Amino acid sequence: AQSVTQPDIHITVSEGASLELRCNYSYGATPYLFWYVQSPGQGLQLLLKYFSGDTLVQGIKGFEAEFKRSQSSFNLRKPSVHWSDAAEYFCAVGEGSNYKLTFGKGTLLTVNP
Amino acid sequence: DTEVTQTPKHLVMGMTNKKSLKCEQHMGHRAMYWYKQKAKKPPELMFVYSYEKLSINESVPSRFSPECPNSSLLNLHLHALQPEDSALYLCASSQRWPSYEQYFGPGTRLTVT
Repeated sequence: AQSVTQPDIHITVSEGASLELRCNYSYGATPYLFWYVQSPGQGLQLLLKYFSGDTLVQGIKGFEAEFKRSQSSFNLRKPSVHWSDAAEYFCAVGEGSNYKLTFGKGTLLTVNP
Repeated sequence: DTEVTQTPKHLVMGMTNKKSLKCEQHMGHRAMYWYKQKAKKPPELMFVYSYEKLSINESVPSRFSPECPNSSLLNLHLHALQPEDSALYLCASSQRWPSYEQYFGPGTRLTVT
């Protein structure tokens, strides 16, 4: 069965610093990969997705992610974090023949002024 | 319009009450979803409707009863809930099912007393 691991439960960065959130997946074929962001008390917003093609994916709000098949990873990056980026970030994987999204447990991002 | 709306935002109900959650989208999407999210946890799929027909029920207790009156509207009827059902209930939609490109609403925060 597919699974998603987000190794970092909580990350704190200073405003203006760079950010990398880690995501590892377990799946036999090429997965569909997603990053969602959830602000406190809010629903999930799709930041970016990878289906195929270029392994560096650009998303909204200045985020990007890189698919690395050899490392089974899909890490999320942002060069300069803003205070408004403080939120919970979920990595998710979808299997090709399955309807379900499997979410990681999330990484809570705190941004210090 | 790229928005999924949910009402109410907050709901407090007793274990003997009957209440309903409402979800609406006007993006022309033909698949709609209910997710349950407990605090500090990722969302868990409950139901999937495709073309107004129930396609997936993830073994959800019968005290949760979904309804899709038309392609834009999704309801979740609640009856005889337990305190452990307290959670954020998220609605999502996609152009078709199966699809992983799901757009989420802000959720209804449910508290069962």
